[in-house]
Amino acid sequence: EAQVTQNPRYLITVTGKKLTVTCSQNMNHEYMSWYRQDPGLGLRQIYYSMNVEATDKGDVPEGYKVSRKEKRNFPLILESPSPNQTSLYFCASSLGGGGGETQYFGPGTRLLVL
Amino acid sequence: GQNIDQPTEMTATEGAIVQINCTYQTSGFNGLFWYQQHAGEAPTFLSYNVLDGLEEKGRFSSFLSRSKGYSYLLLKELQMKDSASYLCAVGDYGQNFVFGPGTRLSVLP
Repeated sequence: EAQVTQNPRYLITVTGKKLTVTCSQNMNHEYMSWYRQDPGLGLRQIYYSMNVEATDKGDVPEGYKVSRKEKRNFPLILESPSPNQTSLYFCASSLGGGGGETQYFGPGTRLLVL
Repeated sequence: GQNIDQPTEMTATEGAIVQINCTYQTSGFNGLFWYQQHAGEAPTFLSYNVLDGLEEKGRFSSFLSRSKGYSYLLLKELQMKDSASYLCAVGDYGQNFVFGPGTRLSVLP
C-alpha cells in the first residue's frame, strides 16, 4: 500500500530535550516536506526537500533541522524544543514540488513540549 | 508577500450546495489545490486547477480565475460525511506550497 508513515504519532517532552520525528514514504517520491498545523494558522511549511541531499527552508524553519540521506526518509529534528513548538506536524511527499503534483500526507504527529 | 484567505467557518444543510471561496496573493503561481481534512486526520487531495475555468469531479467542482487570484470549491448534494475542513493551497515558485487557514464546514441534518 502506497503511504507516508510518521513516528511517533504522539509525543510529550520537556523543553530542551532533543527529539526526532521520522517520516518515510514508499512511493519513490522525490519531493518531501514537513508542515506544522496550528489553530487559525493552517498548514505552514517548515522544510522541504527536492531530492537526496537537497533541502530548503519553508516559511517557518526556525528551531528545526532536517536531513535527506535516503530518498524514502525525511526526519524532522528539534535540537532544543520549546513550548511554542507544541503543534500537530505532518510529513508529505509528492512526485515533484510546487506545481501540478499532489501531495500525500502522513497521519500526523501531535507534539506537546512542556 | 504570500497571503491566502478563506472563510473560517461555514454551515450548510444536508442535500444542499455550498461554495467555499479562496483568494490568494503569492509571489508565484504553479497551480491551486483543494484538500479535505477531517478532524484529527491528514489532509487528502480533492482537486487541482492550473488553468482558468471549472474542473468537475463528481459532487465536487473547483473553479479558478488567475487574473483575480480567486478560486472556489463547490460541493453539491451535501452529505454528513462532508463535515470537515477544506484547505486551499497554492504551488508557489520554487518548490514550496502555501496553504490557507482552512474553512471548517459543518453539515447539519
